[in-house]
Amino acid sequence: GAVVSQHPSRVICKSGTSVKIECRSLDFQATTMFWYRQFPKQSLMLMATSNEGSKATYEQGVEKDKFLINHASLTLSTLTVTSAHPEDSSFYICSAMGGPSGSGELFFGEGSRLTVL
Amino acid sequence: LAKTTQPISMDSYEGQEVNITCSHNNIATNDYITWYQQFPSQGPRFIIQGYKTKVTNEVASLFIPADRKSSTLSLPRVSLSDTAVYYCLVGDGGNQGGKLIFGQGTELSVKP
Repeated sequence: GAVVSQHPSRVICKSGTSVKIECRSLDFQATTMFWYRQFPKQSLMLMATSNEGSKATYEQGVEKDKFLINHASLTLSTLTVTSAHPEDSSFYICSAMGGPSGSGELFFGEGSRLTVL
Repeated sequence: LAKTTQPISMDSYEGQEVNITCSHNNIATNDYITWYQQFPSQGPRFIIQGYKTKVTNEVASLFIPADRKSSTLSLPRVSLSDTAVYYCLVGDGGNQGGKLIFGQGTELSVKP
């Protein structure tokens, strides 16, 4: 079936550095991908909608200069956490709609756990 | 996007049937109801989707009354591996391009 893959699955960085997380649709094209953030024992919070070839649409309260999203191709979206701080430590999850049959089903990546020291 | 309300947690024992009900009073005509399962440190996994009446697949059933203001996910004969958080989401998927807002979810704990 359709698969959405994230890389890296885990990353540890020092405060003040930037971290890039990749989200790939492995066997289908996704013009739209979504980025979520999830803190421990909480639900997924939608951060932004990533649109291929255009600017991302951010949810209210999400800093666009802090969380840079690039969707340069139909199979890849990247989330860069700039100047990361300990409060940015979280589980980041992407999703994409599609699939080989164009079913409209939403597929989620495995998630990327960011720890900022 | 319609807001959903679910019980925060549920407990069950192996072999029992578990029913999780979700309220979505503001569901729109074009909205579908979708349930996802999430294990710790993993992305959500699709379980089942429906529009009205009853839908059944190899892992669950979804019951939707005529007014569609609620839905019930039914897991037959749960096992320990069904311990997870279950999310009910409402949206019209295609028109919104897959944008879904997650509610708090229901943490299901299955005991031996």
